[in-house]
Amino acid sequence: ELKVEQNPLFLSMQEGKNYTIYCNYSTTSDRLYWYRQDPGKSLESLFVLLSNGAVKQEGRLMASLDTKARLSTLHITAAVHDLSATYFCAVAGYGNQFYFGTGTSLTVIP
Amino acid sequence: DSGVTQTPKHLITATGQRVTLRCSPRSGDLSVYWYQQSLDQGLQFLIQYYNGEERAKGNILERFSAQQFPDLHSELNLSSLELGDSALYFCASSFDSNTEAFFGQGTRLTVV
Repeated sequence: ELKVEQNPLFLSMQEGKNYTIYCNYSTTSDRLYWYRQDPGKSLESLFVLLSNGAVKQEGRLMASLDTKARLSTLHITAAVHDLSATYFCAVAGYGNQFYFGTGTSLTVIP
Repeated sequence: DSGVTQTPKHLITATGQRVTLRCSPRSGDLSVYWYQQSLDQGLQFLIQYYNGEERAKGNILERFSAQQFPDLHSELNLSSLELGDSALYFCASSFDSNTEAFFGQGTRLTVV
């Protein structure tokens, strides 16, 4: 079974700082997703990464994919309070079922 | 709004009872997926349907079952409910198995 490890589990950072969330997965996949979830809410799609070396950016968030290392990163630049949420990576397995990481709970402190 | 509609949003029921969760996929999507999110297990894939047929099964208990109807909406049936079944249940849909899936708002089930 495809395993997805995400770290850190909890991240508390000051506004204006940079940080990276890591997502490792155990077997080959051609698609990796990043989602944001606010407390009690649904999963909001942030990025879809489809190929080795893919890099996507939206605002203060940038995601990248290294399929050879089976690693994806979500980089946060100059964090602001509005980015406080839980972030999940998900790897698409057989039949498009998603294997989710444990999530990273991000708190941005003013 | 993802276009995936789940009802009800909240459900409170007693142990031993049976409930049905409903999902309407995005227009044009043929595939429906069910996920369970709980504090101890995280987000887990339960089951997938494609155009009315079961396509893949994940960590779905025998007490749980699902189906997809000809109009492509899906229902997840949970029976003999236990306290540990309390969770947020998400439905997602995609056109097929190679396209991005979009998630509904979820149904929060509380078993008391």
